Amino acid sequence: QVQLVQSGAEVKKPGSSVKVSCKASGGTFSNYAITWVRQAPGQGLEWMGRIMPLFDKTNYADKFQGRVTMTADKSTSTAYMELSSLRSEDTAIYYCARDDCGADCYSTWWYFDLWGRGTLVTVSS
Amino acid sequence: DIVMTQSPDSLAVSLGERATVSCKSSQTVFYNTNSKNYLAWYQQKPGQPPKLLIYWASTRESGVPDRFSGSGSGTDFTLTINSLQAEDVAVYYCQQYYSSPLTFGQGTKVEIK
Repeated sequence: QVQLVQSGAEVKKPGSSVKVSCKASGGTFSNYAITWVRQAPGQGLEWMGRIMPLFDKTNYADKFQGRVTMTADKSTSTAYMELSSLRSEDTAIYYCARDDCGADCYSTWWYFDLWGRGTLVTVSS
Repeated sequence: DIVMTQSPDSLAVSLGERATVSCKSSQTVFYNTNSKNYLAWYQQKPGQPPKLLIYWASTRESGVPDRFSGSGSGTDFTLTINSLQAEDVAVYYCQQYYSSPLTFGQGTKVEIK
């Protein structure tokens, strides 16, 4: 049974960076993409982008372009999301989720069938 | 960007009754090539991550009770919960995965009356 295990909560200063990890426990992510979604306190869900480890390809939402970097280490089945130039509005729970799209990942978007439990990132001076 | 608009923002339904959540997209999420609607529904309970309920607008995820159903096509979609149970209290989100950026509705909170 594959699980997505995320790293622990972080407290960061404005202007700094945070790197959140997401490890596929009990399996590998060679055939799927990992998407990152965030949720500000009491708010809805916001898609940030995804990485396809099989193709070493990323897609980012325009809103985060230039500030976000998604990477993956296939040897450890771990995906990473780094967000820089943090501001208070980036305070949120950051979720990783799986797009189980296989080879279709390269040419299409997909739904998210498995989610990590989330990582709370607090940005405060 | 495709804007997803859900209605209502919240609703209270008696146990055993039906709950209906509407989701409208600002443009079609139906892909003619494969005749699929790129629309999913998620359930989020307090303190938990979202859980996939429905994909391709009407396909129930494995393990999801059959009282949950999805319908609609193009720009208008509905999530129906038949015979509401106490454990169905949650916020429900629709999401389009037709084009980037992938977008969610604002959420509909379902409570017990």
